[in-house]
Amino acid sequence: DVVMTQTPLSSPVTLGQPASISCRSSQSLVHSDGNTYLSWLQQRPGQPPRLLIYKISNRFSGVPDRFSGSGAGTDFTLKISRVEAEDVGVYYCTQGTQFPVTFGQGTRLEIK
Amino acid sequence: QVQLVESGGGVVQPGGSLRLSCAASGFTFSSYGMHWVRQGPGKGLEWVAFIRFDGSNSYYAGSVKGRFTISRDNSKNTLYLQMNSLRPEDTAVYYCAKVAHLLEFDYWGQGTLVTVSS
Repeated sequence: DVVMTQTPLSSPVTLGQPASISCRSSQSLVHSDGNTYLSWLQQRPGQPPRLLIYKISNRFSGVPDRFSGSGAGTDFTLKISRVEAEDVGVYYCTQGTQFPVTFGQGTRLEIK
Repeated sequence: QVQLVESGGGVVQPGGSLRLSCAASGFTFSSYGMHWVRQGPGKGLEWVAFIRFDGSNSYYAGSVKGRFTISRDNSKNTLYLQMNSLRPEDTAVYYCAKVAHLLEFDYWGQGTLVTVSS
């Protein structure tokens, strides 16, 4: 199974400041079709997960442009350029390249 | 707009069975693979099962293989999860999620709570 490791597990951030979450996979997420199926999910308190970023760096419909994704191979990053109050929640990276689908442990973003 | 509505959760005794449903609307259900994902109380996300768009193949997490069965009825735009031999560790909110690309998720339902307890 592909193990997804996120750091940090908790991230206190000041409003208006940037935030960054890293995700490392135990093996390459490059699929035989050439795509890398690494995505980022946001889960606000009491809500279901919501897709933010797919295929490393593509913002999903309706996602603010302060969210961006980058990386390649086994190392990936989610960045929030300026944190807003509505960004509080848990962020998960997930790989959809191979079975079983796996998730990172989650990173809790909170406001200082 | 895409909507996924789960139902069928509840309290069940260990060893019991439950069938979850996920009613889909707002997209061509028969064209997309679908997942079930669960989240135990205070825990992270755990993938449970996947079924191809036409129901021809399904895949399971090791923790549920042989006990859970994913299925779909494309004429009813509905996804199912039959859960047998339930254990306390199956207690979780169960979400259905639509596939975007390959196995990647895009839309998620609100979830339905399954509690396995005597």
